[in-house]
Amino acid sequence: RKEVEQDPGPFNVPEGATVAFNCTYSNSASQSFFWYRQDCRKEPKLLMSVYSSGNEDGRFTAQLNRASQYISLLIRDSKLSDSATYLCAVIHNFGNEKLTFGTGTRLTIIP
Amino acid sequence: GAGVSQSPSNKVTEKGKDVELRCDPISGHTALYWYRQSLGQGLEFLIYFQGNSAPDKSGLPSDRFSAERTGESVSTLTIQRTQQEDSAVYLCASSLIVNEQFFGPGTRLTVL
Repeated sequence: RKEVEQDPGPFNVPEGATVAFNCTYSNSASQSFFWYRQDCRKEPKLLMSVYSSGNEDGRFTAQLNRASQYISLLIRDSKLSDSATYLCAVIHNFGNEKLTFGTGTRLTIIP
Repeated sequence: GAGVSQSPSNKVTEKGKDVELRCDPISGHTALYWYRQSLGQGLEFLIYFQGNSAPDKSGLPSDRFSAERTGESVSTLTIQRTQQEDSAVYLCASSLIVNEQFFGPGTRLTVL
């Protein structure tokens, strides 16, 4: 079983719709959680960290469920510019902040 | 300010040759990471530097891979006797604090 798993998609969603992705992780001791966005042939860029209480940044909401070991990303009122691959990432322990990534979920927003 | 830079942006080499990939982290960032991304694979961790030391090399796939960092700045990833399965995008990231890893644009390596 992979340490971090995501549904690879693709998700094809009409503009203005709401879309949600989940990501599961296997190490219950994992400490920190993130969503990255990666455009085609570009480097990943941090979209948002995921906090235990959940957090929101504009149209984006991230949630963490430690009991079930998953994180989620909700995108409301999706825009064409949201088309990208969304990667979840986990840090297992402080002191070594290497990121373990899922394989990513490809999202295409359709006009 | 300047972000993480990597060179070359593209490298085509023949099987069996050695290659060196360079990463210039954001100035002052103490932590530096190398990852690689292959077609169909996720981003895989290779090696982590804190200062000039590498406390975690667990992701290096074979002894053909090595990396060093000097002056708590530039890092070089060396792949000896390249194989076709080494073809990938090699990404470098740097950070000052936890939760903020900034990635460079990557080096696309193609081994013929």
